[in-house]
Amino acid sequence: LAKTTQPISMDSYEGQEVNITCSHNNIATNDYITWYQQFPSQGPRFIIQGYKTKVTNEVASLFIPADRKSSTLSLPRVSLSDTAVYYCLVGDQIVSNDMRFGAGTRLTVKP
Amino acid sequence: KAGVTQTPRYLIKTRGQQVTLSCSPISGHRSVSWYQQTPGQGLQFLFEYFSETQRNKGNFPGRFSGRQFSNSRSEMNVSTLELGDSALYLCASRGAILEGYGYTFGSGTRLTVV
Repeated sequence: LAKTTQPISMDSYEGQEVNITCSHNNIATNDYITWYQQFPSQGPRFIIQGYKTKVTNEVASLFIPADRKSSTLSLPRVSLSDTAVYYCLVGDQIVSNDMRFGAGTRLTVKP
Repeated sequence: KAGVTQTPRYLIKTRGQQVTLSCSPISGHRSVSWYQQTPGQGLQFLFEYFSETQRNKGNFPGRFSGRQFSNSRSEMNVSTLELGDSALYLCASRGAILEGYGYTFGSGTRLTVV
């Protein structure tokens, strides 16, 4: 399983766009990139998943460059309720369902 | 569609006792995974079950065990509890591969060992 590296923490202000980058230099051909959000004392919540280029849903966008060695989660116009820990995971969805979480990025949104 | 249900939500046990936690996945989901979360170690993978078979196992001692029933409900058991087993235990389920929606987690069971 590819190891991921994310910033430990980030600060932002309400209304700003937040970009969290994840490095995964050893990503394999069959690996997908998935991001989760977690609030205190709750289970992680799926945000977005992608394989290459750009994926967008109603919550976020995921940008993946051609070499796939990194990915960027983009949260548009964050609010105080977006304060949470964000995890980037990389894994082969078909061969293994074993998700290994890293330390994640603690995002704090200030008023 | 109902989410992943974990019971109980909170539990207090004494060292040396054993505990069983329950997880009911989303209807139709056959894959169930368990995680332990502590402030010091973060989220750690325990094991994953699919169609009543354990497919993957994390690096935990044999005191941690699990099983899955034919209706996909899963239980995990921790025997001879230690203080360090105090944690939030999370269960996650997923449906067909390549659905593209990742895992859905329950709210967890907060276990406190005293």
